[in-house]
Amino acid sequence: EVQLVQSGAEVKKPGESLRISCQGSGYSFTNYWIAWVRQMPGKGLEWMGRIDPSESKTKYSPSFQGHVTISADRSINTAYLQWSSLQASDTAMYYCARSLGGFSTGYHFDHWGQGNLVTVSS
Amino acid sequence: DIQMTQSPSTLSASVGDRVTITCRASQSVNSWLAWYQQKPGNAPKLLIYQASSLESGVPSRFSGSVSGTEFTLTISSLQPQDFATYYCQQYSYYPLTFGGGTKVEIK
Repeated sequence: EVQLVQSGAEVKKPGESLRISCQGSGYSFTNYWIAWVRQMPGKGLEWMGRIDPSESKTKYSPSFQGHVTISADRSINTAYLQWSSLQASDTAMYYCARSLGGFSTGYHFDHWGQGNLVTVSS
Repeated sequence: DIQMTQSPSTLSASVGDRVTITCRASQSVNSWLAWYQQKPGNAPKLLIYQASSLESGVPSRFSGSVSGTEFTLTISSLQPQDFATYYCQQYSYYPLTFGGGTKVEIK
């Protein structure tokens, strides 16, 4: 069974750093890309970026470029989303999702993690 | 960025109704469009990919179609478990973009 299991909820203060994770199982981790999707409270879905774990190549949305870092450790089938300095506006649910690569933008997201709720408050 | 405009934003319907949700792309995305269902407190779930292909395990009452830059998700006979929010998403161009969502409510 394909699973993407995300790390737990986080409560942080503005200016703090954070790394959340997404561990894949039940499939060949390097055969699929992992994307991160933000959902702010009561709002819609926003694609943040993705990584090809086989080469650690990344692509970011301009809206998130420079504010977050996506990485992966294929030895433990895990992708990461990282902030060096959180802001209150980063409060949101963050989902990881997998897609096949194969052409420039990849394909649809066929499996999703359960989500990481990140709360940033002083 | 490609804008994905969904309509309506909210839809009130009854069990058994035929429901249609529309998503219009600001430019051609060919058929590189997916539909997702999201229930409160849950992650999105893939329903339709490549505009009209039904994801494995998804009931056949869900279908997708395309005409130019206008995409349609149809639920042929609304069931109680279908009350949720639906999102379209294009994966033809970076950045990948989602529609604003359509909430299907009980009438």
